[in-house]
Amino acid sequence: QKEVEQNSGPLSVPEGAIASLNCTYSDRGSQSFFWYRQYSGKSPELIMSIYSNGDKEDGRFTAQLNKASQYVSLLIRDSQPSDSATYLCAVGLSGGYNKLIFGAGTRLAVHP
Amino acid sequence: DAGVTQSPTHLIKTRGQQVTLRCSPISGHKSVSWYQQVLGQGPQFIFQYYEKEERGRGNFPDRFSARQFPNYSSELNVNALLLGDSALYLCASSGTPGDQPQHFGDGTRLSIL
Repeated sequence: QKEVEQNSGPLSVPEGAIASLNCTYSDRGSQSFFWYRQYSGKSPELIMSIYSNGDKEDGRFTAQLNKASQYVSLLIRDSQPSDSATYLCAVGLSGGYNKLIFGAGTRLAVHP
Repeated sequence: DAGVTQSPTHLIKTRGQQVTLRCSPISGHKSVSWYQQVLGQGPQFIFQYYEKEERGRGNFPDRFSARQFPNYSSELNVNALLLGDSALYLCASSGTPGDQPQHFGDGTRLSIL
């Protein structure tokens, strides 16, 4: 069983719409959760981090965490073509060192 | 402030060769982590070093090794290269081993022929 699972996509949304990206994880001891954006050929760029249940908003991005359901999501409002990228969900494991477990990523395509 | 810097940006090797990748952490950071990202997959944890000691190791063969220097920079070494080692190698730094979040350098693209 994969530790962090994401739908590979592609998720196609029209410009201006809300894109919803989802992620589930298996380790109930996980304490930190991250969303990275990765453009083709580039390294992952951190866009959101969340540590407690509920919603966290930053500009057009909202991260949602539900530890009981082991579920993390990322909403992108007013999607732009420049948001087209692969979005990686990462989970930080407990244990005193910051090993991140990544999902395989969801490819998002925003079309004009 | 400079972020995490990695060198070289791109490297081409042949099977059986050895390679060394380098990483300089953000100023003041003492912990460095290495990840491998194969095309189409998420990054996979290889090593974490803190204060020149290995603090964590992922599920990689002994062909992979690393070290950290007194200035907290780090090297990742891979021996007896295989075609499957072709990947983007990423380095991240943090102040202490448990610090989050982690920001990655631009990575080293390793191609094995």
